[in-house]
Amino acid sequence: DGGITQSPKYLFRKEGQNVTLSCEQNLNHDAMYWYRQDPGQGLRLIYYSQIVNDFQKGDIAEGYSVSREKKESFPLTVTSAQKNPTAFYLCASSIDGRFNQPQHFGDGTRLSIL
Amino acid sequence: AQSVTQLDSHVSVSEGTPVLLRCNYSSSYSPSLFWYVQHPNKGLQLLLKYTSAATLVKGINGFEAEFKKSETSFHLTKPSAHMSDAAEYFCVVTSYTGTASKLTFGTGTRLQVTL
Repeated sequence: DGGITQSPKYLFRKEGQNVTLSCEQNLNHDAMYWYRQDPGQGLRLIYYSQIVNDFQKGDIAEGYSVSREKKESFPLTVTSAQKNPTAFYLCASSIDGRFNQPQHFGDGTRLSIL
Repeated sequence: AQSVTQLDSHVSVSEGTPVLLRCNYSSSYSPSLFWYVQHPNKGLQLLLKYTSAATLVKGINGFEAEFKKSETSFHLTKPSAHMSDAAEYFCVVTSYTGTASKLTFGTGTRLQVTL
C-alpha cells in the first residue's frame, strides 16, 4: 500500500539538541516537502526538494536543515538554532515539483520541548 | 502578491444539513486551487482541485467547489453533512509567476457536525 511514513509520531527535544524527523515515501514521487503547522495557522513551507540531491528553502527555513540523498527519503533536522520548535511537522510528496500538483501527506510528527 | 482567506475559522452544522466553507483568494496569475481535509493528528487529504478546466469541481465524499473568478472565490459545499465530515479544512492557492511557483495555505476552517 503506497504512502508516506513519518517517524516518530512524537518527539521531545532538549535545549541545545538537534533532532531529526524521518520521512519515507514509496509512491515513486520526485518531489517532497516539509511543512510546519501551528495551532490556528495554516501550513508553512520549510523546505522542498524537486529532485534527488537538490532542495530549496521555503518560507521559514531558518533553524532547519534537510538532505535528499535518495528519492524515497527526505529527513528534516531541527537544529538548536530553531528557538521555537514546538509544532506539528508534516511531510508531503507530489509526482513532480510543480506546485499545481496534488500533494500526499504523512500523518505527522509532533515535536515538543522538554 | 498571493493570499488566501478562509472567512470562517469555525463552522457548526447539524447532520443532514448543507455545508458551506468559504474561501477567497488573491493572485496576480492564473491560480490553481485545492481543498484539503485534516482529521485530528493526521496528515492532509486532498478533497478536490481546480486547474482552469471546469469551474465546478467535484471531489471525494460528496464535496464540490465552484471557482468564481469575478468574486475571487472557491467555496466548498456539500448538500448533506455527515458526522464523519467533522474535521479541519484548508483552502490552498498556487500560481506560477513565470520564474517561480508560490504555494499558500489558508488558516483553516474547523467543521463541527452535531446530531
